[in-house]
Amino acid sequence: DVVMTQSPLSLPVTLGQPASISCRSSQSLVYSDGNTYLNWFQQRPGQSPRRLIYKVSNRDSGVPDRFSGSGSGTDFTLKISRVEAEDVGVYYCMQGTHWPSTFGQGTKVEIK
Amino acid sequence: QVQLVQSGAEVKKPGASVKVSCKASGYTFTSYGISWVRQAPGQGLEWMGWISAYNGNTNYAQKLQGRVTMTTDTSTSTAYMELRSLRSDDTAVYYCARDLREPDVWGQGTTVTVSS
Repeated sequence: DVVMTQSPLSLPVTLGQPASISCRSSQSLVYSDGNTYLNWFQQRPGQSPRRLIYKVSNRDSGVPDRFSGSGSGTDFTLKISRVEAEDVGVYYCMQGTHWPSTFGQGTKVEIK
Repeated sequence: QVQLVQSGAEVKKPGASVKVSCKASGYTFTSYGISWVRQAPGQGLEWMGWISAYNGNTNYAQKLQGRVTMTTDTSTSTAYMELRSLRSDDTAVYYCARDLREPDVWGQGTTVTVSS
């Protein structure tokens, strides 16, 4: 199985400051169709996961533009340009290129 | 709007079976597959498997092979996940999600508690 490794696992941030989460995969996530199926999810306490980003850098409808995704191959990053209180939660990367799909361990974002 | 609504919480004894439903609305059910993901208390997300709503093809996580069955009923736009021979470590919130590679819409989750 493809191993997804996130860092850091805990991220205390000050309101209004930027935040960055790294996700590395044990194999390239480029699929045979040329797409890279790397997703980012936000899970607020007590809620279902919500997709923020798909195919590395495409933001879902309704997701604030302070969220951005980047990367290629095996190295990916989720950035929050200015953290707001509603961004508290756990963030997961997930690859859908190789079967079985796999998730990172999660990064807990909290306010300092 | 696109929605997945799951069945309610379940409490089961070890060795029993549970069947969770996931009713889709707001889109053409057979145009997307349904994935199942679970989350043990305080833990991360674990992929369980996927079923094509178009032709019923399935793929299951190796660790669950032989204990899990995923099905669909296209007449009611509902997907089902049955897990047998339940153990205490199957206690988790079970989610259905639309699509395999880029799951975009998720159900609200179904809590399954396995306890004697």
